[in-house]
Amino acid sequence: QEKVQQSPESLIVPEGAMSSLNCTFSNSASQSIWWYQQHPGKGPEALISIFSNGNKKEGRLTVYLNRASLHVSLHIRDSQPSDSAVYLCAVSRYSNNRIFFGDGTQLVVKP
Amino acid sequence: ETAVFQTPNYHVTQVGNEVSFNCKQTLGHDTMYWYKQDSKKLLKIMFSYNNKQLIVNETVPRRFSPQSSDKAHLNLRIKSVEPEDSAVYLCASSLQGNTLYFGEGSRLIVV
Repeated sequence: QEKVQQSPESLIVPEGAMSSLNCTFSNSASQSIWWYQQHPGKGPEALISIFSNGNKKEGRLTVYLNRASLHVSLHIRDSQPSDSAVYLCAVSRYSNNRIFFGDGTQLVVKP
Repeated sequence: ETAVFQTPNYHVTQVGNEVSFNCKQTLGHDTMYWYKQDSKKLLKIMFSYNNKQLIVNETVPRRFSPQSSDKAHLNLRIKSVEPEDSAVYLCASSLQGNTLYFGEGSRLIVV
């Protein structure tokens, strides 16, 4: 069983600020890591994924993966009120069709 | 645009009744899942089907049973619901265990 923990539990930032979310996982053999966004009353939607150590940038999103420290972070540049949602970190295991989720970070971006 | 369709969106029932949730995906994916999401947004995998074969069956109560007629459909039946079954049930699909695509969820309230 993969253990995925996210921090902080909730985050409030002003519009235009950088939002930083953290996730730790329990097994360095984990295959890929995803970040999902979930708005109220909707299903989670994949935002960005990373497999290799280092960083990956897509638009306003940057994700950093450090397998040695079992840590991945998501940074949202120029945060907008529409970014307000729950962000879920998900980790998959090699040769295993299971994807494990963290318990989420509630992001609120205030205008 | 939604490509994983769940019905019903919302269901209220009494303890001891039977409930069924339906899920269909139009993405041509080979794997479908059922996740349970509690009030704290924690997602726990319940079942996973790959090409109609059950490949993951987490320890869920026996009153839960998945049913798949083909790789595009995965239903969930709950016999004799209990109060702790109140949650949002999320259906998802993926191609070879990669990015998950979720439906909007089926909220169950057991009174």
